[in-house]
Amino acid sequence: GENVEQHPSTLSVQEGDSAVIKCTYSDSASNYFPWYKQELGKRPQLIIDIRSNVGEKKDQRIAVTLNKTAKHFSLHITETQPEDSAVYFCAASMNFNKFYFGSGTKLNVKP
Amino acid sequence: ETGVTQSPTHLIKTRGQQVTLRCSSQSGHNTVSWYQQALGQGPQFIFQYYREEENGRGNFPPRFSGLQFPNYSSELNVNALELDDSALYLCASSSSGTVHSPLHFGNGTRLTVT
Repeated sequence: GENVEQHPSTLSVQEGDSAVIKCTYSDSASNYFPWYKQELGKRPQLIIDIRSNVGEKKDQRIAVTLNKTAKHFSLHITETQPEDSAVYFCAASMNFNKFYFGSGTKLNVKP
Repeated sequence: ETGVTQSPTHLIKTRGQQVTLRCSSQSGHNTVSWYQQALGQGPQFIFQYYREEENGRGNFPPRFSGLQFPNYSSELNVNALELDDSALYLCASSSSGTVHSPLHFGNGTRLTVT
């Protein structure tokens, strides 16, 4: 089955700096890659997603890039704010069936 | 638009007991998936239900079973509870068929097995 690896496990940045989280996947058949943000004690919430026919997608301060050849995708957050502090999960799916999640990155944005 | 709701929010059970967790899907969604999230880990796929039938299963033993009802709500049943079953159980609804939608999660049920 699919295996998703996520790095780093923790990331600490200064407010205003950029943060990058990277994920790799093993199954070349995966074609949908969402990113979820989970604040302490709350549900995972979708923040951005990308399909395999697109190389990059941006939504305000958040962007995701996908390299299908290398089987990796990354989340980029610019101009980080303290409210960006949370655990971020990447995931991979084939045709929206099973979703395989990474182990999470705890982002701490220091004011 | 009503979101995904799960009940109960917390549950404490003893090893060997059975538990039933419930989920109401977001309005307009016809698919329900269940995930187990151990502390400090990402969610792990248990199974998915579409049109009241299991539509994919992760690496979980048969003592994990489920149901989907005509109104798209769902139950997760776990028999013969083990200590390692202690986790946050997340239900996620989505749309399947002609148009697929991302997963929308509920707040989860925190299960503690003692």
